[in-house]
Amino acid sequence: DTAVSQTPKYLVTQMGNDKSIKCEQNLGHDTMYWYKQDSKKFLKIMFSYNNKELIINETVPNRFSPKSPDKAHLNLHINSLELGDSAVYFCASSQVGTATEAFFGQGTRLTVV
Amino acid sequence: KNEVEQSPQNLTAQEGEFITINCSYSVGISALHWLQQHPGGGIVSLFMLSSGKKKHGRLIATINIQEKHSSLHITASHPRDSAVYICAVPSQGAQKLVFGQGTRLTINP
Repeated sequence: DTAVSQTPKYLVTQMGNDKSIKCEQNLGHDTMYWYKQDSKKFLKIMFSYNNKELIINETVPNRFSPKSPDKAHLNLHINSLELGDSAVYFCASSQVGTATEAFFGQGTRLTVV
Repeated sequence: KNEVEQSPQNLTAQEGEFITINCSYSVGISALHWLQQHPGGGIVSLFMLSSGKKKHGRLIATINIQEKHSSLHITASHPRDSAVYICAVPSQGAQKLVFGQGTRLTINP
């Protein structure tokens, strides 16, 4: 039973389109994250949500809008997609406030053409 | 300069060799994570440690909090160990992880 699942795994779309990536965790964690991995495999935080509240927004363009309907879900909606948005996006969850293990989704490879 | 620096960035070795990957960080932390990413992309947590040493099978992770340094060792390396290994530390009150740039390990048979 997958702990953190994100869909879709692959997403190919044209510039200017709007797309969403969904993420769900069944670990009972109170914090969820979106990370972006660039072409050099470097991972960087985009957003962090704790109990449905936005905690971190790391200078991400406002074309990216996370939505957390409940603490088990954190979806990422991207408007007006640009070529530079092509990357792998990882969802993760953990219990914040203590040093606890982070669990990652399998990643969504977004390709904007 | 990144808060977390790994070395080497790339490492190629022969099957059976002893592997060491290093991680240095510049901030005070409560724990450090070692992650593994295989080709095809999924990220798996290998270790989280705050002091001393941890061992899982052929993998050993050590940390020296005073020196702000951690190492990941692989004994009797195998081609299936080929992956990117990433260290990460909590930041901003553990609200996020800050990652090293990763070490791409290739083990040849």
